[in-house]
Amino acid sequence: DTAVSQTPKYLVTQMGNDKSIKCEQNLGHDTMYWYKQDSKKFLKIMFSYNNKELIINETVPNRFSPKSPDKAHLNLHINSLELGDSAVYFCASSQGISGANVLTFGAGSRLTVL
Amino acid sequence: AQTVTQSQPEMSVQEAETVTLSCTYDTSENNYYLFWYKQPPSRQMILVIRQEAYKQQNATENRFSVNFQKAAKSFSLKISDSQLGDTAMYFCAFITIFTGNQFYFGTGTSLTVIP
Repeated sequence: DTAVSQTPKYLVTQMGNDKSIKCEQNLGHDTMYWYKQDSKKFLKIMFSYNNKELIINETVPNRFSPKSPDKAHLNLHINSLELGDSAVYFCASSQGISGANVLTFGAGSRLTVL
Repeated sequence: AQTVTQSQPEMSVQEAETVTLSCTYDTSENNYYLFWYKQPPSRQMILVIRQEAYKQQNATENRFSVNFQKAAKSFSLKISDSQLGDTAMYFCAFITIFTGNQFYFGTGTSLTVIP
């Protein structure tokens, strides 16, 4: 049973389209995240939610909108996709916001914008 | 500013040999946690090992161990008896107690284990 699952694993789309990536965790964790990994493998945090409340919102274009309907789900919607949005997007979760908590990652969603 | 530096973009090691990946970090905080994550070709990020900064004893996890030098802000990962399945990107990361859940990642080291 996958701890952090994200769908789809691969997404190929045209510039200008709108797309969503879904994430669910069954670990009972309170905190969920979206990370972006670029072509150079650099991991950068985008958003973090704790108990459905947004607590980290890094400098990300407002075309990206996260939504957390409950603490087990964190979805990412992207409007008006651009070439530079091509990346692997990782969902992750942790038990809380204490530094003692370990991040558990999903398998990643590779987004390719043509 | 909190930063993590991995100065070795690529490394290779013969199967069964030992390799050490380096990591340095910068923080003004005194309480933090350090991690090594592994990303094999499958893309899945997997926790390898964790170290609490307040603990002097170096963490070990089977063939994986760390050399934590708090004063030098250094956190290297040693892999003993390297196996083909160790081929992966390795990311060093840390989180401070007071920045909540803001993890800081290094740029990664690509390790290839040669048969």
